[in-house]
Amino acid sequence: AQSVSQHNHHVILSEAASLELGCNYSYGGTVNLFWYVQYPGQHLQLLLKYFSGDPLVKGIKGFEAEFIKSKFSFNLRKPSVQWSDTAEYFCASHEAGTASKLTFGTGTRLQVTL
Amino acid sequence: DAGVTQSPTHLIKTRGQQVTLRCSPKSGHDTVSWYQQALGQGPQFIFQYYEEEERQRGNFPDRFSGHQFPNYSSELNVNALLLGDSALYLCASSSSPGTGFGANVLTFGAGSRLTVL
Repeated sequence: AQSVSQHNHHVILSEAASLELGCNYSYGGTVNLFWYVQYPGQHLQLLLKYFSGDPLVKGIKGFEAEFIKSKFSFNLRKPSVQWSDTAEYFCASHEAGTASKLTFGTGTRLQVTL
Repeated sequence: DAGVTQSPTHLIKTRGQQVTLRCSPKSGHDTVSWYQQALGQGPQFIFQYYEEEERQRGNFPDRFSGHQFPNYSSELNVNALLLGDSALYLCASSSSPGTGFGANVLTFGAGSRLTVL
């Protein structure tokens, strides 16, 4: 069975600091990878996705993630965080071809201070 | 606006009762998936409905059942509620399986928060 691990449970950063959130997945076959964000009181929103091609994917709001197949990783990065980035971030994967059945990590709560 | 609407937003039940949660998918989507998000955890896949049939199911007991209607809306039913069923229940919609990348991108609703006392 697939699993997704997010080792950073709670991260506190000052505005303008750089961000990197770790994500590792366990499936050995072809996977599609996602980062979702959940702002306080709002629904889950897609930040970015990787299906194939360039392993460096860019998403909304200046976020990017790099797929490293050899490390089974898909870490999320942002060079300079803003207070409005305070949210919970979820990494998710699914086996390519198994439409929609996502396996999520436990999430990382990001708190950005002024 | 998420495009996916869920109701009710909050509800409180007692152990042993039954609950029905409702979901209307985003316009243009015909596939609905349900997820359970317990406090401090990531969403867990319950099941997926397409063409009014359950297509995939996660590791949830038969107390969890669902339905999809001809207009693509869906219901999640949970019988014999347990304290452990307290969670945020998320509905997500997508386009038809097999239609390419669009089928793999979910749009989530805001969820229904169920509290079981």
